[in-house]
Amino acid sequence: ELKVEQNPLFLSMQEGKNYTIYCNYSTTSDRLYWYRQDPGKSLESLFVLLSNGAVKQEGRLMASLDTKARLSTLHITAAVHDLSATYFCAVTGTASKLTFGTGTRLQVTL
Amino acid sequence: GAGVSQSPRYKVTKRGQDVALRCDPISGHVSLYWYRQALGQGPEFLTYFNYEAQQDKSGLPNDRFSAERPEGSISTLTIQRTEQRDSAMYRCASSKVPGFYNEQFFGPGTRLTVL
Repeated sequence: ELKVEQNPLFLSMQEGKNYTIYCNYSTTSDRLYWYRQDPGKSLESLFVLLSNGAVKQEGRLMASLDTKARLSTLHITAAVHDLSATYFCAVTGTASKLTFGTGTRLQVTL
Repeated sequence: GAGVSQSPRYKVTKRGQDVALRCDPISGHVSLYWYRQALGQGPEFLTYFNYEAQQDKSGLPNDRFSAERPEGSISTLTIQRTEQRDSAMYRCASSKVPGFYNEQFFGPGTRLTVL
């Protein structure tokens, strides 16, 4: 059974500082997705990582994938309040369904 | 349409009643997925379709849950004889084509409350 773990579960960030969220998964997969969810809202697709070594950047967020280590990271550069949300990673195995991680709730404080 | 839509957005029902949740995917999207999300958790897979064919229903909790997509577009998730433990947010997602890329776009969800 595919398991996906994220850490930390909660991250209080100071504005302007850098942080990293980790996503580990248990079985072979070469497709990894990052989503953002604001309170009471739906999930917004951020990144799709399709191969080992893939790196994608959008604004202050950068995601990378190491399929050998079964690890993805989401790096936040110079955090700002607008980034406060819950971030999920999700993985597909041999099937098309997404298996989601536990989520990381980010809170940016001044 | 511009995005995935779901109706109703909120549904309150009494234990034992049947409910039908509707999902309208992005126009032209081949694959449609149903997930259930408990508060503070990530979505959990229920079932999915390519066109009108149900490809995987391994996530449906029991035989009270069923789904259909008869014309390959709109889908309905039906829960019979609802129980309080069925209370959750039910989310639908669609993707353009099945296969490798498979970026899934999520709808706003239906919040189901079973009293």
